[in-house]
Amino acid sequence: AQSVTQLDSHVSVSEGTPVLLRCNYSSSYSPSLFWYVQHPNKGLQLLLKYTSAATLVKGINGFEAEFKKSETSFHLTKPTAHMSDAAEYFCVVTPNAGNMLTFGGGTRLMVKP
Amino acid sequence: ETGVTQTPRHLVMGMTNKKSLKCEQHLGHNAMYWYKQSAKKPLELMFVYSLEERVENNSVPSRFSPECPNSSHLFLHLHTLQPEDSALYLCASSQDSLGGTLTGELFFGEGSRLTVL
Repeated sequence: AQSVTQLDSHVSVSEGTPVLLRCNYSSSYSPSLFWYVQHPNKGLQLLLKYTSAATLVKGINGFEAEFKKSETSFHLTKPTAHMSDAAEYFCVVTPNAGNMLTFGGGTRLMVKP
Repeated sequence: ETGVTQTPRHLVMGMTNKKSLKCEQHLGHNAMYWYKQSAKKPLELMFVYSLEERVENNSVPSRFSPECPNSSHLFLHLHTLQPEDSALYLCASSQDSLGGTLTGELFFGEGSRLTVL
């Protein structure tokens, strides 16, 4: 069985400050992990993915995430937030064995001017 | 054209109506999906089609009926829905037929916002 928990349903930051969106997972297998972003009235878009290569993964728009097996975490970070980063972010897990993606509940990121 | 197109973007229907949601992908993918996105709930996988055959049906009520006439088109037929079925219905596609797990990348449409009165 696998599951993913996004620890914060809402995160608010000021423009120009760092972003941290937290994700913990559980999986019976060696997982692959992803972050998706959903801007208002849009579909989801893949931000970055971890598939058992480098543990620090870089994605689009300056985001990155670090896979920490000992902590079963895959937190998403960005050094400086922009207004355009305001969106909902989803952490996603799947085992490397042909099973379906499991989505977290989402974290809504708000960026204040 | 965007990769995955959904129509209509908004739909309001009564509980006795019959309507359909349409999805079209222009990416040459082999697999297509319907997801339901409700407020304060995780994204729920409803149906998966791979090479036009249904490979996953996550205990979805029969009032939702999918149809995949070819690898580019996916429909969700709606009949006698309930108010709790109001949600954003997202269509997605992926290149591989293993639920997107090989690459992890699903390509989503912008969704159809359904309101059931």
